[in-house]
Amino acid sequence: HITLKESGPTLVKPTQTLTLTCTFSGFSLSTSGEGVAWIRQSPGKAPECLAVIFWDGTQRYIPSLKNRLTVTKDTSKSQVVLTMTNLGPVDTATYYCAHRPGSFFTSWFDPWGQGIQVTVSS
Amino acid sequence: QSVLTQPPSVSGAPGQRVTISCTGSSSNLGARHDVHWYQQLPGTVPKLLIYGNTNRPSGVPDRFSGSKSGTSASLAITGLQAEDEADYFCQSYDDTLRTYVFGTGTKVTVL
Repeated sequence: HITLKESGPTLVKPTQTLTLTCTFSGFSLSTSGEGVAWIRQSPGKAPECLAVIFWDGTQRYIPSLKNRLTVTKDTSKSQVVLTMTNLGPVDTATYYCAHRPGSFFTSWFDPWGQGIQVTVSS
Repeated sequence: QSVLTQPPSVSGAPGQRVTISCTGSSSNLGARHDVHWYQQLPGTVPKLLIYGNTNRPSGVPDRFSGSKSGTSASLAITGLQAEDEADYFCQSYDDTLRTYVFGTGTKVTVL
């Protein structure tokens, strides 16, 4: 049974850096093929996959935010950390982490964490 | 800006069949990357509905089915029920963006 849970600040000031932690159970990020994704969703909008980190340390970032994102993993703690710099109001959204099974090109996201609502405001 | 396009809304009466399209391009669906579908009930977390174009995870009713051909994919809901009222998103991989992409989303309304 796989579970994931996001933690971090829910209110961030403009220009600050956001650090979110995903703590998961039921799988290991040292197992070949496994991955964890960070996905965000603004109200009324479609989800947007921000970053993915794979069992071998490979990372993928959405091109439009690549310069602002960093994703790292701590396999021993079963945690993945997303860092996003220079936040602005448009970054207000619910941020989810999700388990990414399957092979690289055919993968889906299941399950998702409960999400954390992040508001960017002064 | 999503590279997978869906109709903003579809509606149907209880018991009817509705379909949701997901239109991509040669860099995603046309590159033979699988499509997956998610259901998001109001105020809840997206839930995997279909994976690998046509497969249903355990617990998903067989009223939901998926298909894919070329640069397009479809999700069909037969025997529409009130509980199916939700947002639905398709998802795949894009070779140009080199990451996973979601569709624009479709709101299903049960009349």
